[in-house]
Amino acid sequence: AQSVSQHNHHVILSEAASLELGCNYSYGGTVNLFWYVQYPGQHLQLLLKYFSGDPLVKGIKGFEAEFIKSKFSFNLRKPSVQWSDTAEYFCAVNAPLGNTPLVFGKGTRLSVIA
Amino acid sequence: DTAVSQTPKYLVTQMGNDKSIKCEQNLGHDTMYWYKQDSKKFLKIMFSYNNKELIINETVPNRFSPKSPDKAHLNLHINSLELGDSAVYFCASSPPGFTQDSPLHFGNGTRLTVT
Repeated sequence: AQSVSQHNHHVILSEAASLELGCNYSYGGTVNLFWYVQYPGQHLQLLLKYFSGDPLVKGIKGFEAEFIKSKFSFNLRKPSVQWSDTAEYFCAVNAPLGNTPLVFGKGTRLSVIA
Repeated sequence: DTAVSQTPKYLVTQMGNDKSIKCEQNLGHDTMYWYKQDSKKFLKIMFSYNNKELIINETVPNRFSPKSPDKAHLNLHINSLELGDSAVYFCASSPPGFTQDSPLHFGNGTRLTVT
């Protein structure tokens, strides 16, 4: 079964600082990888996804993530955060074969201060 | 138009009661899910249905019973509610196995508070 680890529980950054949120997964086979964002009081929205091809994936709102297969990692990055990026960020993985559900990490809370 | 809609948005009830949460998706997806998000924001899969058939049933108490009258609907009924059931419940849908164009879509969540 797949599992996902997000190492940072809570990250606090000043506006314009660069962001990197760690995500590691455990699964020996081919995986689909996702980052979801949950703004306060809202549902989860897809930021970006990786299925195959270029391991550097561009998402919405200036976010990107890099899939490093050898490290089983899919870290999320943004060069310059804004106050509006304050949210909970979830990394998720599933195996593309069969009806496997999306398995989420425990989330990282990002607080951006002015 | 809302792709995945859940009702109610908020549900406050007392211990021991029975309640239901409804979910509908208009994306034409075959697969629907219920996820539970606890107070620490941890999201965990509860159930998954593919075309009205139960395919995933994680370790969830028998008090929770999903029902899928058709592939566009997946309702969650909870009997004998307990304090620990307080959480936000998210419905979601996807094509089977996901696709690049249409991964998991979430509803807005139902915040259940058991007093």
